[in-house]
Amino acid sequence: RKEVEQDPGPFNVPEGATVAFNCTYSNSASQSFFWYRQDCRKEPKLLMSVYSSGNEDGRFTAQLNRASQYISLLIRDSKLSDSATYLCVVNSYSSASKIIFGSGTRLSIRP
Amino acid sequence: EAQVTQNPRYLITVTGKKLTVTCSQNMNHEYMSWYRQDPGLGLRQIYYSMNVEVTDKGDVPEGYKVSRKEKRNFPLILESPSPNQTSLYFCASSAGRPRVGGTSSYNEQFFGPGTRLTVL
Repeated sequence: RKEVEQDPGPFNVPEGATVAFNCTYSNSASQSFFWYRQDCRKEPKLLMSVYSSGNEDGRFTAQLNRASQYISLLIRDSKLSDSATYLCVVNSYSSASKIIFGSGTRLSIRP
Repeated sequence: EAQVTQNPRYLITVTGKKLTVTCSQNMNHEYMSWYRQDPGLGLRQIYYSMNVEVTDKGDVPEGYKVSRKEKRNFPLILESPSPNQTSLYFCASSAGRPRVGGTSSYNEQFFGPGTRLTVL
């Protein structure tokens, strides 16, 4: 089983729709969680951190469920420019300082 | 401008010919990493460095070497490249080692533009 798993998609939704992604992780010692965005053939960039209490940044909401070991990303009123691959990232604070990326969920917004 | 640079951006080489991919950051970051990205597998960490002269293996270190002689540079070395090392490589840096209580700005990783390597 992968340490971090995401639905690869693709999700193909109309502009203005609300879309949600989940990401599950297997290491209960994981301590920090992030969502990164990666455009085609580009480097990943931080979209937002995921805090225990949940957090919102404009149209984006991230939540963490430690009991069930998953994080989620909700995008409201989706725009064409939201088309990208969304990567879930989990940091584990063992002595190895492991950083694990999910394989990404591809989102395509259609007009 | 704060950035992570990698060179070369594209490289085609042959099996066994040693190569080095350079990575440099101008943000005085302590933590640097190398990743490879393959279809369906996502980004996998090859090596990381928590500071000068401190390096450690990530998930897929076989066939790679790194060094951290200066804070800003973290080259990736393939002593004898093989076709299974054909991939897209990213260097990344962050202010510090990911840790509990670290702010997102502390933990955020900044990525270089990537190096597309083909080994024939």
